[in-house]
Amino acid sequence: DVKVTQSSRYLVKRTGEKVFLECVQDMDHENMFWYRQDPGLGLRLIYFSYDVKMKEKGDIPEGYSVSREKKERFSLILESASTNQTSMYLCASSSEVAGTSYEQYFGPGTRLTVT
Amino acid sequence: RKEVEQDPGPFNVPEGATVAFNCTYSNSASQSFFWYRQDCRKEPKLLMSVYSSGNEDGRFTAQLNRASQYISLLIRDSKLSDSATYLCVVNSRAGNTGKLIFGQGTTLQVKP
Repeated sequence: DVKVTQSSRYLVKRTGEKVFLECVQDMDHENMFWYRQDPGLGLRLIYFSYDVKMKEKGDIPEGYSVSREKKERFSLILESASTNQTSMYLCASSSEVAGTSYEQYFGPGTRLTVT
Repeated sequence: RKEVEQDPGPFNVPEGATVAFNCTYSNSASQSFFWYRQDCRKEPKLLMSVYSSGNEDGRFTAQLNRASQYISLLIRDSKLSDSATYLCVVNSRAGNTGKLIFGQGTTLQVKP
């Protein structure tokens, strides 16, 4: 079974803090993704990566950065957390070559609250 | 127009009912289509892929209509455990490349 893990299930941070969200997958997947999910807005893509050290902006990259130094690990960084970044953050991974192309496997999510 | 649109519901149905969800997508070149299921406070999980010829998995049937650019999911003999949010998912570029675009989801509540 594919396993995607995220460093925290719940996180509370103060405005202005630097926040690191870590994601690790154990299936040697090339692709990794960071989403946020908000009521009424659905899943929105923040950043994704097709390979180590490669990253591409998603639909809402402002206020976020990412790091992928190793294939299995993809980190999301909030340089200076703000209250509008309070959300559920979901990491996902997928294989480059799959029977069903681009099927994504999700981690359990991190519910971040910024006060 | 949103790239993927779904009726958010909620759909409230009794056990044993048949329920159908539709989803429309805007990119006529998309080739990959999926239905994901998301339980309350849980992550989305793949329910089934949607193939051009349609596909069935037990009580679940998915259909694709390319001409009208919509995807459907039919659930027969609904169970209480089917209560969840169902996400329609489409790839964003031509062929099987690119990002996946998720619909907002349709909430299903199956009542005893």
